Amino acid sequence: EADIYQTPRYLVIGTGKKITLECSQTMGHDKMYWYQQDPGMELHLIHYSYGVNSTEKGDLSSESTVSRIRTEHFPLTLESARPSHTSQYLCASSGEAGGLYEQYFGPGTRLTVT
Amino acid sequence: ILNVEQSPQSLHVQEGDSTNFTCSFPSSNFYALHWYRWETAKSPEALFVMTLNGDEKKKGRISATLNTKEGYSYLYIKGSQPEDSATYLCAFYMDSNYQLIWGAGTKLIIKP
Repeated sequence: EADIYQTPRYLVIGTGKKITLECSQTMGHDKMYWYQQDPGMELHLIHYSYGVNSTEKGDLSSESTVSRIRTEHFPLTLESARPSHTSQYLCASSGEAGGLYEQYFGPGTRLTVT
Repeated sequence: ILNVEQSPQSLHVQEGDSTNFTCSFPSSNFYALHWYRWETAKSPEALFVMTLNGDEKKKGRISATLNTKEGYSYLYIKGSQPEDSATYLCAFYMDSNYQLIWGAGTKLIIKP
């Protein structure tokens, strides 16, 4: 059973607020990922990390930022939320970056910005 | 632009019937192909990671095949059950790349 956690599960927030979506895993995985997904659409990678103090942007441009100070923790921050940020955000981790190992997903955070 | 296409987009199948759906991906620089099952209100879970042309993998009533030369993979479900209702995602990993490229999924609904 995968041990990857996300909080909150649901968040409704007003425009302009700063928010942080939490993601933690207890599997000791070096590789962690943030995906954004809109209904009926593909998962799009917005950020990834290959280890502590390593963060990169994914293929989908995002105004969010991430940090990786500890192996198990990979929070995502939006400095000023806008309605266009309304989406589902999924965090994942993997034991290997080369695509040979499956990714383990958290339950997701469904964000609504009003 | 790298694209992963899944078809059909959705599928209604009678309980007990068998079914299959397709994932198409670029055939050049292939490295790995992933299949995931995503049930409502749960997290996506890996079904298979496939790397070799001609590879076939099986987990219970679910199996998958891979053709890297022509760029497609099939997922088969034998004797569908209500618990098979989910969205099935495939994702392609290209050599020297850093990310999985995802399809939009096939939503499978099993009718009792």
